[in-house]
Amino acid sequence: GAVVSQHPSRVICKSGTSVKIECRSLDFQATTMFWYRQFPKQSLMLMATSNEGSKATYEQGVEKDKFLINHASLTLSTLTVTSAHPEDSSFYICSASGGRGRPEAFFGQGTRLTVV
Amino acid sequence: AQSVTQLGSHVSVSEGALVLLRCNYSSSVPPYLFWYVQYPNQGLQLLLKYTSAATLVKGINGFEAEFKKSETSFHLTKPSAHMSDAAEYFCAVSLYSSASKIIFGSGTRLSIRP
Repeated sequence: GAVVSQHPSRVICKSGTSVKIECRSLDFQATTMFWYRQFPKQSLMLMATSNEGSKATYEQGVEKDKFLINHASLTLSTLTVTSAHPEDSSFYICSASGGRGRPEAFFGQGTRLTVV
Repeated sequence: AQSVTQLGSHVSVSEGALVLLRCNYSSSVPPYLFWYVQYPNQGLQLLLKYTSAATLVKGINGFEAEFKKSETSFHLTKPSAHMSDAAEYFCAVSLYSSASKIIFGSGTRLSIRP
């Protein structure tokens, strides 16, 4: 299967600072990537759909100014959590669409964000 | 809109016993269905997918799932559980063949008793 790499796997930051999470498709071009948030013992909540070369599409209730998404190339999407607060602490996971004819998505390893 | 419902947030079986994780879907058009597995603090790994070909789908690690349109179900099974199968399992649905967002069920935590 296709490989998606997410970095960092774990980050601790101070309240008020910004954190950038990278999601890379290593062996295929991903025109579309997705960002999810997962709370403990819960399912994945889709935050936004990231399209290469255009603005991301955010799900209802997700603050676009707080969670900045950039998809500048066919292999890289970034999520920046701006002015992080403790309530932003969570597990963030990216996925990349498998491409033409492949309905499944491939997931990164996830990033555990802790805001102190 | 499409959705999936997973029945049972926690399932516990004995090692060697049958594993059955239930998933029902709702979709106005023929869906694409998936089962993913998640180990602690990791991303999701695709177990298997249904794409309107064979209704019985075989996946990795001995898992399989059967698409039943009449019951709108896509239950996941494995004949004999192994300790390494303990994880969180998610049923998911999407509508299109590519670049479509995937909607996840609430997840089922599978525990294996020695």
